Amino acid sequence: QQQVKQSPQSLIVQKGGISIINCAYENTAFDYFPWYQQFPGKGPALLIAIRPDVSEKKEGRFTISFNKSAKQFSLHIMDSQPGDSATYFCAASKDNAGNMLTFGGGTRLMVKP
Amino acid sequence: DVKVTQSSRYLVKRTGEKVFLECVQDMDHENMFWYRQDPGLGLRLIYFSYDVKMKEKGDIPEGYSVSREKKERFSLILESASTNQTSMYLCASSLGRLSYQPQHFGDGTRLSIL
Repeated sequence: QQQVKQSPQSLIVQKGGISIINCAYENTAFDYFPWYQQFPGKGPALLIAIRPDVSEKKEGRFTISFNKSAKQFSLHIMDSQPGDSATYFCAASKDNAGNMLTFGGGTRLMVKP
Repeated sequence: DVKVTQSSRYLVKRTGEKVFLECVQDMDHENMFWYRQDPGLGLRLIYFSYDVKMKEKGDIPEGYSVSREKKERFSLILESASTNQTSMYLCASSLGRLSYQPQHFGDGTRLSIL
């Protein structure tokens, strides 16, 4: 049973466009929601993260939007660049679970020049 | 910068073999994790460890075991490899048990079981 569902599985965006990846979770005990970015041949690396006490977090061109009542959160990449082409994973964790992460299925993003 | 090193990038083994995947981290992290990555399924946790000689089962431990004899080293063992264990295996480490402490990943071992 996948506790964090991610969509779409793949996404193609033109350079300069907005990339949007969505995630939904089931467990209301989750209290930390990171996004990891993985380039081909590399391991995932933390990109940006949010706690449920805020509805939005922005770092440069990357923004997380969080909707606690709907149990959904999304990653927006503004002015998408070819260098953003990667696989993106959303994840969730809870404070009493010892830093364990539950990952979504991943989204392969391709940004066309 | 934290460095997590996995001993092999690619590995080809035969069905029934005992397979060892090695992972070393250089930042004195308490926690270490083994995941497998399959298309559409994301990263699934196999085993993790909070301390030397300690281990905990993750979501998919069947067919695997682990060993943590030293703090910096975490080994994943496939007791008798099967073709359905062909996958990308990722090791990660993190500083402590708080949810917001990031996990740092190695670059993975792509394992093929023939």
